[in-house]
Amino acid sequence: DIVLTQSPTTLSVTPGETVSLSCRASHSIGTNLHWYQQKTNESPRLLIKYASQSISGIPSRFSASGSGTDFTLNINNVEFDDVSSYFCQQTQSWPRTFGGGTKLELK
Amino acid sequence: EVQLQQSGPEVGRPGSSVKISCKASGYTFTDYVMNWVKQSPGQGLEWIGWIDPEYGSTDYAEKFKKKATLTADTSSNTAYIQLSSLTSEDTATYFCAREVGLGAQDYWGQGVMVTVSS
Repeated sequence: DIVLTQSPTTLSVTPGETVSLSCRASHSIGTNLHWYQQKTNESPRLLIKYASQSISGIPSRFSASGSGTDFTLNINNVEFDDVSSYFCQQTQSWPRTFGGGTKLELK
Repeated sequence: EVQLQQSGPEVGRPGSSVKISCKASGYTFTDYVMNWVKQSPGQGLEWIGWIDPEYGSTDYAEKFKKKATLTADTSSNTAYIQLSSLTSEDTATYFCAREVGLGAQDYWGQGVMVTVSS
């Protein structure tokens, strides 16, 4: 199985900051990597697909990059509404696997 | 508008089974595979498996092969997951999620909380 390792586990930031979340794959997965946001007691929401492709309705302050084994989700000018857990997922192979998540908190 | 409406919370006794539904609307049900994802309290996301509603074909994560059974009813546009031989480890929220072209899960159900308790 492909293991996805996300770092950091928790990130505490000040509103207005720009942050980068990392997702590293145990094997190369091309660009078959997707990012989800999950607020407390809500369903996950797709933020970015195929490593860097934007999703309609998602604020432009969310962007992402990467390929192979190293991926990054960037959030520019973090807002209070961004307090969530962020998960990456690979669909290069079965079983689909998720990273352990990064929890974003505000100072 | 695409919607995935899941059934209500379930309480199951240890050793019993529960069956959760996920009713799809706003798109052609047979055009997309449906994934199921588990989230234990305070934990991350675990992929359980998927079903292709058009053909009824399924695939499961190894861990869930003896635990979960995925089915789909194309007449009612509803996907189901049955969880058997319940233990406390099965206490979790279960999500259905539509997958776009062997890729991202673009729409998710609201989740169903399953509590295993005697």
